[in-house]
Amino acid sequence: EIVMTQSPATLSVSPGEGPTLSCRASQSVSNKLAWYQQKPGQAPRLLIYDASTRSTGIPARFSGSGSGAEFTLTISSLQSEDLAVYYCLQYNAWPLTFGQGTRLEIK
Amino acid sequence: EVRLLESGGDLVQPGGSLRLSCVASGFTFTRFPIHWVRQAPGKGLEWVSHISEDGRGTYYADPVKGRFTISRDNSKDTVFLHMNSLRAEDTAVYYCAKRGDIVGQKFNDWGQGTLVTVSS
Repeated sequence: EIVMTQSPATLSVSPGEGPTLSCRASQSVSNKLAWYQQKPGQAPRLLIYDASTRSTGIPARFSGSGSGAEFTLTISSLQSEDLAVYYCLQYNAWPLTFGQGTRLEIK
Repeated sequence: EVRLLESGGDLVQPGGSLRLSCVASGFTFTRFPIHWVRQAPGKGLEWVSHISEDGRGTYYADPVKGRFTISRDNSKDTVFLHMNSLRAEDTAVYYCAKRGDIVGQKFNDWGQGTLVTVSS
């Protein structure tokens, strides 16, 4: 099983800042990496797939990069509605595995 | 509009069984594999199971292998998750999810979830 490790667990940021979230795989997943945003009481929302492609309707301030085993999600200018938990998912090999999540908080 | 509607969640005793359903609408059901993903209270997301478009291919996470069975009825646009020998650690909201029109768009569409509670 591929283990996905996200860091940090919690990130405190001020509005307008540009946080970077990290996701590391225990082995290469090529570019088969997705990012999700989840707000309390809601189902997750797909932000990025294939490591760097924004999904339909996702604002341009969200960007993904990386390949192999190291990936990042960057929010160029944080807005209040971006406060949420963010998860990465590898879909290069079965079983599919999520990271444990990074919680974005307002500083 | 794509819709996935889960049902069947309930309070069940350890060792018991439950069947979850996911009814789909708004898309051509037979074109898409379907997954189950769960989330324990206050915890992260955990992939549970996958079924291929024709129902012949299935995959399971190790914690549920041998206890859960995924199936689909393409005549009713429905996917099922049969859960046996339930344990306290199976307590979670269970979501069904499908990819988008592009293959890489894993879990693009989600249902609202159904809560399974395993407790005596």
